[in-house]
Amino acid sequence: QSVLTQPPSASGTPGQRVTISCSGSSSNIGSNTVNWYRQLPGTAPRLLLYTNLQRPSGVPDRFSGSKSGTSASLAISGLQSEDEADYYCATWDDSLNGPVFGGGTKLTVL
Amino acid sequence: QVHLLGSGPGLVKPSQTLSLTCTVSGDSISYYYWNWIRQPPGKGLEWIGYIYYDGNTKYNSALKSRVTISVDTSKNQFSLQLTSVTAADTAVYYCATAPYSGSYYFHFDYWGQGALVTVSS
Repeated sequence: QSVLTQPPSASGTPGQRVTISCSGSSSNIGSNTVNWYRQLPGTAPRLLLYTNLQRPSGVPDRFSGSKSGTSASLAISGLQSEDEADYYCATWDDSLNGPVFGGGTKLTVL
Repeated sequence: QVHLLGSGPGLVKPSQTLSLTCTVSGDSISYYYWNWIRQPPGKGLEWIGYIYYDGNTKYNSALKSRVTISVDTSKNQFSLQLTSVTAADTAVYYCATAPYSGSYYFHFDYWGQGALVTVSS
């Protein structure tokens, strides 16, 4: 059971906009910034967004993030086939005194 | 750009100690938190713990009694030891960096390639 809650799956067609939600509590998302990681099949996760909405160098602006209260979301616009991956949200949890992850969302491009 | 390379035995017997090393290149081992994260097959990510270059550590409370993370700054390496392993510890183990920016901004910016460790007799 993950501390942060994500839908297990999401899907969209090429060109569409999809969003993935991440729900937490006052001790984690409510108190700290949220980060998103993308894990392509058979590879290590890579940082996709940090500090709620910042993109590391090389991440296209099709990826955006937002946070409100104890929830956050990742939006992917102009969906492409190569976006098929697992997406994880993460943040620090003040009660557990360490970083925590969501259970991951498997994105399928139809 | 930081490059991380994890290494260690791929098979460990139950009740024994799992040992992994992560070699860092491209930057000094200073000024980052050096983390271990694992992912059981087909499952999500679990943070194991981190060490700062000065030796300060923080561990996941669920694993704390079995985990030791150490650092060798002369070799630009940090290591993980997990004792009394069971089949539940079978996972891909990743090493990862987190910039020294406090818990509010805590995030993992570089990841190693991952090392599958299977616990089996």
